[in-house]
Amino acid sequence: QVQLVQSGAEVKKPGASVKVSCKASGYSFTTYYIHWVRQAPGQGLEWMAIINPRSGTTTYAQKLQGRVTVTRDTSTSTVYMDLSSLTFEDTAVYYCAREGVVRGNFDYWGQGILVTISS
Amino acid sequence: QSVLTQPPSASGTPGQRVTISCSGSSSNIGGNTVNWYQQLPGTAPKLLIYSNSQRPSGVPDRFSGSKSGTSASLAISGLQSEDEADYYCAAWDDSLNGHVVFGGGTKLTVL
Repeated sequence: QVQLVQSGAEVKKPGASVKVSCKASGYSFTTYYIHWVRQAPGQGLEWMAIINPRSGTTTYAQKLQGRVTVTRDTSTSTVYMDLSSLTFEDTAVYYCAREGVVRGNFDYWGQGILVTISS
Repeated sequence: QSVLTQPPSASGTPGQRVTISCSGSSSNIGGNTVNWYQQLPGTAPKLLIYSNSQRPSGVPDRFSGSKSGTSASLAISGLQSEDEADYYCAAWDDSLNGHVVFGGGTKLTVL
């Protein structure tokens, strides 16, 4: 069965960087795009980035340009999201999600990673 | 402020039918399909409706979606207590090299 398993919770200081992972299984990794979506406490969903696992091509949210980098390792079917220059506003649950057969539709989600920015 | 506009809250009694609206623009809903997600407290969102009106396997037919122009709506009939959740609409947006936009979410309360 399709699974997206994310790495564990993180606590970081302002100005630091965080790198989280999303390991895919149960399907052909290079066939489906992976997105990153985050949700601040008590807030809605915010789209962050998309990666084509086959080519490695990425597109980032304009708001996060220059701070976010998404990469993949096809040998382990894992996608990584690196966010730098962290501020308190980056405290959120970070989800990876697989894009299904329709553009922008997320048919499977990871369990989420709580990233807390605290001094 | 979210690109897609949803009412912040909705409510209904068991057995009732409720609808949640989602308004966008020509670059998102107007030119692309709409997806709806259900998020139960403390869990990841779950795909509820895709391509405006299609239900993934396992989603009850009490849930239905529609789209007209730059707006979409989610309808839940025969409301049940377990439907109490946050609901988000989303769509691909063709501006800015392409990206996904979400509604701000609607908290559904079953009275």
